[in-house]
Amino acid sequence: GAVVSQHPSRVICKSGTSVKIECRSLDFQATTMFWYRQFPKQSLMLMATSNEGSKATYEQGVEKDKFLINHASLTLSTLTVTSAHPEDSSFYICSAGKLGGVDYGYTFGSGTRLTVV
Amino acid sequence: AQSVTQLGSHVSVSEGALVLLRCNYSSSVPPYLFWYVQYPNQGLQLLLKYTSAATLVKGINGFEAEFKKSETSFHLTKPSAHMSDAAEYFCAVSSYNNNDMRFGAGTRLTVKP
Repeated sequence: GAVVSQHPSRVICKSGTSVKIECRSLDFQATTMFWYRQFPKQSLMLMATSNEGSKATYEQGVEKDKFLINHASLTLSTLTVTSAHPEDSSFYICSAGKLGGVDYGYTFGSGTRLTVV
Repeated sequence: AQSVTQLGSHVSVSEGALVLLRCNYSSSVPPYLFWYVQYPNQGLQLLLKYTSAATLVKGINGFEAEFKKSETSFHLTKPSAHMSDAAEYFCAVSSYNNNDMRFGAGTRLTVKP
């Protein structure tokens, strides 16, 4: 149990376009989902916390207008990188926690490698 | 604020040797501690977690970690390394509600034949 599916796994887009990344909890309901960004050979940096039905909470320094997060249901959160630029190229990972109880250690998606050219 | 420090960005061991990956934490509240493994271009897989129960925690793939409050440590060990253990390992800390999980910088484990 506790599977999180992230799609796409890889995406290449042109500078100035927008890209949407999906994070789905397949076999459980997730009230909270987290979005992380990981640069090569570095750790995960929390970008934002997404709660179902409410606005996401962004970490300091993360542009909320650039990284749009929508958590419309208990099984789906999306991250849209708007007007992407080469510096947005990175590995993006989501994680999700279960509804109705404390789940220590959230389940992670397999990540999305974004390349902006 | 909570944080973890992983000592050693790169650890290299021989196959069959002991694996020791170090993690020290800083937390103003009782911490929940985790070790994750990441293979190239993949997400994170939970190895084990400490949630204020037994201080010696056993995880998957033969890994275990011991919570030592006096040393603010949560080091990860495995008695005998396998080639398949080569990966990036992350230590993480959070408080009770998990909404503030913070990761260490990671340790890359290399296993030599």
